[in-house]
Amino acid sequence: GAVVSQHPSRVICKSGTSVKIECRSLDFQATTMFWYRQFPKQSLMLMATSNEGSKATYEQGVEKDKFLINHASLTLSTLTVTSAHPEDSSFYICSVQLYNEQFFGPGTRLTVL
Amino acid sequence: SQELEQSPQSLIVQEGKNLTINCTSSKTLYGLYWYKQKYGEGLIFLMMLQKGGEEKSHEKITAKLDEKKQQSSLHITASQPSHAGIYLCGADIQRTYKYIFGTGTRLKVLA
Repeated sequence: GAVVSQHPSRVICKSGTSVKIECRSLDFQATTMFWYRQFPKQSLMLMATSNEGSKATYEQGVEKDKFLINHASLTLSTLTVTSAHPEDSSFYICSVQLYNEQFFGPGTRLTVL
Repeated sequence: SQELEQSPQSLIVQEGKNLTINCTSSKTLYGLYWYKQKYGEGLIFLMMLQKGGEEKSHEKITAKLDEKKQQSSLHITASQPSHAGIYLCGADIQRTYKYIFGTGTRLKVLA
């Protein structure tokens, strides 16, 4: 399988600030990465598909200007939560696709005060 | 409505008991994945089922896929406290490599 890391694992920020979350594929080059969000006691919801070298594809209801995704290299995708608000507090998980399977990162817990 | 429904939503069992978690899809299943998650942590891959009637086992966990019923079941035999966590089924329903996840089942095993 693939090894995926995320950084940071936890972040606390003030309302109105921007937060960047990194997702790295450590042992293979990933042209496609996925970003999910999970609210407490809820399932994972796909936010967007990150494609290396091109614009991300966002799911319905996800604001692309608020959740900026950059997939600048084959091993790194970043998710920036801009002007974060308390309702953005959530658990963010990325995954990479290898053949027909997805491998998930350990997640990043974002708390916006 | 949710495309992947899991039942039950939560489950508390005594250590040593068997249990079953179901995942039902409202659309055709081309494959189904089972994951385990501890709250606030990443997903641990358990099993992937790709063919109708397929059954896989890993240690004390067995999963089956019934394509006709668009359903999968996860069965744990002789449960242990280490089995506690959130079990999620996931599927690529639209064949776009985008996963949809089930509603999750929270399992607690009492020692």
